[in-house]
Amino acid sequence: GESVGLHLPTLSVQEGDNSIINCAYSNSASDYFIWYKQESGKGPQFIIDIRSNMDKRQGQRVTVLLNKTVKHLSLQIAATQPGDSAVYFCAENKSSGTYKYIFGTGTRLKVLA
Amino acid sequence: DAGVTQSPTHLIKTRGQHVTLRCSPISGHKSVSWYQQVLGQGPQFIFQYYEKEERGRGNFPDRFSARQFPNYSSELNVNALLLGDSALYLCASSQGTDYGYTFGSGTRLTVV
Repeated sequence: GESVGLHLPTLSVQEGDNSIINCAYSNSASDYFIWYKQESGKGPQFIIDIRSNMDKRQGQRVTVLLNKTVKHLSLQIAATQPGDSAVYFCAENKSSGTYKYIFGTGTRLKVLA
Repeated sequence: DAGVTQSPTHLIKTRGQHVTLRCSPISGHKSVSWYQQVLGQGPQFIFQYYEKEERGRGNFPDRFSARQFPNYSSELNVNALLLGDSALYLCASSQGTDYGYTFGSGTRLTVV
């Protein structure tokens, strides 16, 4: 399949280690945030979301942290597996009045065996 | 349960031509959005439709248009194609306007 994100920042992580992917968002009025995973030849896949009234949310092996003070979002993946290799995007949305997600530039995660 | 389905998966068009891309949302989803993803970049918002009405439009020229049908499926139309329109066009559906969207696998458009 074709490659997504040929010149994206890359994070290389050893299999079994934890991964932390960071994202700076642009709009201080954004109140809904999502992390997506995109594998080559596929559309973005929803991982986890968080609203601005929370600063942390946990899913299965993933945790999202939101720091509204510095407009920063992070995705933590525990015990990274080869299947986690993909490009990860954060997206922000301002719920009232606008209905478009603004995506970040993406980070490529490479899991080393 | 079928996910978001898009057709065609790939197509090649010549500059100046017109193209129609199609999207079927997940059953029960009433909101459909369209995104353009150029290689190496994140998706860029084009349109959102909810209950057959346009609810949002991104910074794209008037050559881009869309519509949503009574069964909530959607079409994206692009007229007078330019080389720069070559991209992966993604359709996403959601139950409502503020829920996380589920994306289809996209249509890869190449303009030559």
